[in-house]
Amino acid sequence: DAEITQSPRHKITETGRQVTLACHQTWNHNNMFWYRQDLGHGLRLIHYSYGVQDTNKGEVSDGYSVSRSNTEDLPLTLESAASSQTSVYFCASSRQWNEKLFFGSGTQLSVL
Amino acid sequence: KNEVEQSPQNLTAQEGEFITINCSYSVGISALHWLQQHPGGGIVSLFMLSSGKKKHGRLIATINIQEKHSSLHITASHPRDSAVYICAVLGNQFYFGTGTSLTVIP
Repeated sequence: DAEITQSPRHKITETGRQVTLACHQTWNHNNMFWYRQDLGHGLRLIHYSYGVQDTNKGEVSDGYSVSRSNTEDLPLTLESAASSQTSVYFCASSRQWNEKLFFGSGTQLSVL
Repeated sequence: KNEVEQSPQNLTAQEGEFITINCSYSVGISALHWLQQHPGGGIVSLFMLSSGKKKHGRLIATINIQEKHSSLHITASHPRDSAVYICAVLGNQFYFGTGTSLTVIP
């Protein structure tokens, strides 16, 4: 069955370290998204991609970067982790921009 | 400024009760999604709608585009319905509500 997977599920890191969260989907979806979820906030868009070599900033992109070298993967990199980046991160994908979103299981990241 | 507002934030119901969760939004949209997030965090899409009403089992979603309002109804609620329900609207991007936490007591 097609799916979207995130890894790791849990990550603890130290302030200043570079961290990469993986997202892999097997639906061949063009669109992929990274969100963070924090108490008191809805899901907030970090970065998104509408296809290979396409990446765009979302509303909370500072301190994060993504790259899209193939259809299946959109890794999220925290260049220098900060405590404010402690959060739950969700990757999502969709076939077209106005179609249903499919979410990964999330990555709980703690920056100490 | 929240583009999407949900009410109530928290809801506790007895098994069998009829439940309504409301969503109001302030942006122009092409579609509205209802999502379900279970303890443990996984998020699944329940409905996507742009007009009228959709039904899936005991769940019914309605939308009024003119009033910028949607409701999610659960008939004959069950403890397994306990989850966070999230409204998301698609304008130039997705905007998400903060969710309604539902607990159904046996």
